[in-house]
Order: sequence, then C-alpha cells, then structure tokens
Amino acid sequence: DQQVKQNSPSLSVQEGRISILNCDYTNSMFDYFLWYKKYPAEGPTFLISISSIKDKNEDGRFTVFLNKSAKHLSLHIVPSQPGDSAVYFCAASAGGGAQKLVFGQGTRLTINP
Amino acid sequence: GAGVSQSPRYKVAKRGQDVALRCDPISGHVSLFWYQQALGQGPEFLTYFQNEAQLDKSGLPSDRFFAERPEGSVSTLKIQRTQQEDSAVYLCASSLREGDQPQHFGDGTRLSIL
Repeated sequence: DQQVKQNSPSLSVQEGRISILNCDYTNSMFDYFLWYKKYPAEGPTFLISISSIKDKNEDGRFTVFLNKSAKHLSLHIVPSQPGDSAVYFCAASAGGGAQKLVFGQGTRLTINP
Repeated sequence: GAGVSQSPRYKVAKRGQDVALRCDPISGHVSLFWYQQALGQGPEFLTYFQNEAQLDKSGLPSDRFFAERPEGSVSTLKIQRTQQEDSAVYLCASSLREGDQPQHFGDGTRLSIL
C-alpha cells in the first residue's frame, strides 16, 4: 500500500506564477515531512521540511503547509523560475531511531517561460 | 568528502552475475541508508546502518541482497545472481546522527540487468 501519494504526475506552470504541489499520506504515525527536488541523473536534494507540531514552514520562495486532520501537505513555490523545473518528491518519516523515509511517486514540475 | 559519493555511476550486468555498489557517506555521518528507485517511482527503503551496525534490513527484497558497513564509514550493497527486476537506481543517503533529518543523498548507481 502506498503510504505517501502524489496524485499529480506532472504540473506545468508559467514563469513568475505560483506552483502548488500536493501530497497525501495515510500513516498517522508520520511526524516529519520533507520535500526533495531531483534533476535528471542526480540524487534527490533536500528542499524544505516540516514537523507535525507545525502547520507551516517558509524558506524564501518555498513554503510547506501541513494539514494533519486531512493528512495532506503542499509545497508552494512563488514566484516560479525556470530552474525550478525538476521532479519533486514528498517524503515522510515516523518517530524512532531509524527515521527511514517513505517517498511519494514524484511530480514533474515544468516552468514555462 | 563534501557530499555522498557513489560508485560506479552506471553498471551493466548480465542476468545471474553478482554486483557490488559502493557508497562513501559524508565524513562523520553516523547514519547510512540505502534506497532503490524503480523507473517512474519514488525511492524505496532497503536498509539502514548506524555506524557499523545494520539496524534495519526490512526493505531488502530477497536474500540475494546483502549490505555491509564494516568500519562504520564506506558501505557496500551486494546483489547476488542478479535478475532483470533488480534494474533500478540505487541511492545511498547519510545523516549526521541517529534520527537526524534531512538525509543527504548521493547521485546513485543506475543498474541495468540484461
């Protein structure tokens, strides 16, 4: 069963506009959430994270929102830039020492000039 | 090193051959993870080390997969008698301490089994 889901395989946004990427999860034990960005032939690069005790975290153009009751998080990028074109992965971890990550399937974001 | 280093970047093997994939984590990082990423999917957890101890191997798909980290730094993922379904990108990640996030990923090894 897919515990972390990104239901949009792709998203196309005009440069300068807002990009919104969505992620849903099913496991209520998840207490930390991360977004990674991935370019072709490279490993995932950490972007931003949020703990379950918060509902929002902001870092420059990137904001992550967490709705625990809906088991939903989203990543907002504003304004979107051509260099933001990449695959974005949502990931979650549960409490405990190992803290292995459970990833969604990814959303390919394309920013059009 | 500055980042997580993985080698080789690409590996082609014939079905039935054994392969070994290497991961050199960020210097001083205690935690090391291996993930498998199939085409069009997100990475999936394989195994976790804290220093030289393998504390979680619940994600290893079969007993053909074996991982080690004998001195608590470099790790090797070995796949014996490779099958076509083993074709994937194998990603290694490390973090400074147990439970630390984020994990820092290497660029992966793309394994193709013919």
